[in-house]
Amino acid sequence: SAVISQKPSRDICQRGTSLTIQCQVDSQVTMMFWYRQQPGQSLTLIATANQGSEATYESGFVIDKFPISRPNLTFSTLTVSNMSPEDSSIYLCSVENHLGQGRSGANVLTFGAGSRLTVL
Amino acid sequence: DAKTTQPNSMESNEEEPVHLPCNHSTISGTDYIHWYRQLPSQGPEYVIHGLTSNVNNRMASLAIAEDRKSSTLILHRATLRDAAVYYCILGYGKLTFGQGTILTVHP
Repeated sequence: SAVISQKPSRDICQRGTSLTIQCQVDSQVTMMFWYRQQPGQSLTLIATANQGSEATYESGFVIDKFPISRPNLTFSTLTVSNMSPEDSSIYLCSVENHLGQGRSGANVLTFGAGSRLTVL
Repeated sequence: DAKTTQPNSMESNEEEPVHLPCNHSTISGTDYIHWYRQLPSQGPEYVIHGLTSNVNNRMASLAIAEDRKSSTLILHRATLRDAAVYYCILGYGKLTFGQGTILTVHP
């Protein structure tokens, strides 16, 4: 399965600033997903990022707050803009596992370790 | 998205089998049943998935009811390392996580 590196692994940020999280994959993938996990909660999908097209955002998430770039098939960034304490969360990047595609048609995901943001 | 219902928490003893249930009465014909788990301070990891037939892999077994309205993840011999939150998810394409089951394994 794919290996995902996320940077930063954690950061402490000031209110009103923005932070960009990087997701690097060791193989080319079509679909990349960004999730948020608030303290003590489950994962919530923010958006789906395909290379060469605009990201598709889920209900409750907007591009101005969470701009996403997908410049190639191995890399994506998520920016958390104008942060407030409510944005304190773990942000996770995930990709479709090539072994899952084709063999069964199911979407099998591999996740990065996450980026833990604390906004003061 | 079809919804799943899982117990909030379960407990097991080390070396014993664990059966983690999941109800999904509104599952559609094209929905795969996925199980992921999240160890403390880590991202979720894939455990197993299936469509209609029971499935086995090196990590676990997945038993799917004949009407597909429920499924059970089976850990044959729990270890301390299996303590995690287990998520049962339906879907084809993007996956929506529910609250999951917190599994505690006692030595």
